[in-house]
Amino acid sequence: NAGVTQTPKFQVLKTGQSMTLQCAQDMNHEYMSWYRQDPGMGLRLIHYSVGAGITDQGEVPNGYNVSRSTTEDFPLRLLSAAPSQTSVYFCASSPPTGNTIYFGEGSWLTVV
Amino acid sequence: AQSVTQLGSHVSVSEGALVLLRCNYSSSVPPYLFWYVQYPNQGLQLLLKYTTGATLVKGINGFEAEFKKSETSFHLTKPSAHMSDAAEYFCAVINMNSGYSTLTFGKGTMLLVSP
Repeated sequence: NAGVTQTPKFQVLKTGQSMTLQCAQDMNHEYMSWYRQDPGMGLRLIHYSVGAGITDQGEVPNGYNVSRSTTEDFPLRLLSAAPSQTSVYFCASSPPTGNTIYFGEGSWLTVV
Repeated sequence: AQSVTQLGSHVSVSEGALVLLRCNYSSSVPPYLFWYVQYPNQGLQLLLKYTTGATLVKGINGFEAEFKKSETSFHLTKPSAHMSDAAEYFCAVINMNSGYSTLTFGKGTMLLVSP
């Protein structure tokens, strides 16, 4: 049982480049979300989805796009990377009960 | 909206001493509360959670937390610290306004354990 899988684990980007962080879950969870972690800030919600075709913004959505075409996948797109997007990104999934949220292992992104 | 406050960005204890990490939350409805631990350069590991039922919750690695509604607190404790407990700890509350689909995290507390 793979759980929540994030790729890549490490990535270095140049300012202005675009990239997609992939997130896939094999638990048939309706809910999926993306967080970024910065020193002293904890984890902050970027975007989330409560089902295929449904997405919404979180606390820090600027500079990021998402879509949810299938239940399993929830990619996070950086259209034009900026140094301020250097961070650790976590994807999560959960069933509608909300009593357990499963996290991926994180993606370390550096924008130079 | 829900919020979480973790008192102390760093807590230092000696090996064998009591560990107490403080977490206060705000929520307009009965909360679901979580504690996560993160070791350096690793992901998040769930320590314990409170959803309903018994207010004293036991987790992994000897940690426990007590939900106190009157104090809006969910402090994490461990009777005797071990060197391997050195890590960053995050308290989180479920977001009602996202339909229980996301978490609001505190800013984290770094636990330092000295021999």
